Amino acid sequence: LAKTTQPISMDSYEGQEVNITCSHNNIATNDYITWYQQFPSQGPRFIIQGYKTKVTNEVASLFIPADRKSSTLSLPRVSLSDTAVYYCLVGSTGSARQLTFGSGTQLTVLP
Amino acid sequence: DSGVTQTPKHLITATGQRVTLRCSPRSGDLSVYWYQQSLDQGLQFLIQYYNGEERAKGNILERFSAQQFPDLHSELNLSSLELGDSALYFCASSGSQEKSSYNEQFFGPGTRLTVL
Repeated sequence: LAKTTQPISMDSYEGQEVNITCSHNNIATNDYITWYQQFPSQGPRFIIQGYKTKVTNEVASLFIPADRKSSTLSLPRVSLSDTAVYYCLVGSTGSARQLTFGSGTQLTVLP
Repeated sequence: DSGVTQTPKHLITATGQRVTLRCSPRSGDLSVYWYQQSLDQGLQFLIQYYNGEERAKGNILERFSAQQFPDLHSELNLSSLELGDSALYFCASSGSQEKSSYNEQFFGPGTRLTVL
């Protein structure tokens, strides 16, 4: 599974757009990029997944450049409740579908 | 609510003891995964079952074992417990398409194990 590198922590203010970038230099052709969100003492929750270019859903956007060696999770107009740890995962989805979580990025949204 | 249930929510036991954690996947999901999350180790994949059969193994100790029953619920057995086994144990489930391009897993609320 491809190794990922994310910032350890980020601070933002309510109402701002937050971009969290993940590096995955050795991503393989079959790999997808997936982001999860985790609140304290809760299980991670799937946010978004993409393979290339841009993916958008009701909570976030995911930008993937052509070389796919990095990706950026964009959270529009964050609120205090978006304070959480965000994990970037890279991997293909064969029968094992094992997820490898790195250290994640602790996002703190300030009032 | 993810649809994945885990019992018990909290468990306090002593070193050397054995405990069983239980997980019920979302309705229709055939895969069950177990993860351990401790403060100093992050979220670690332990083991996966698919429709009753072991499919993948991660950093699972020999003192730990798991199984998935015909009704698809799963149990994680932890024996000869040590202080370092204190952690949050999460179960997750995913859909029935074995070769889906999805990496989406649905996590339960976790069981907090404290070994004294």
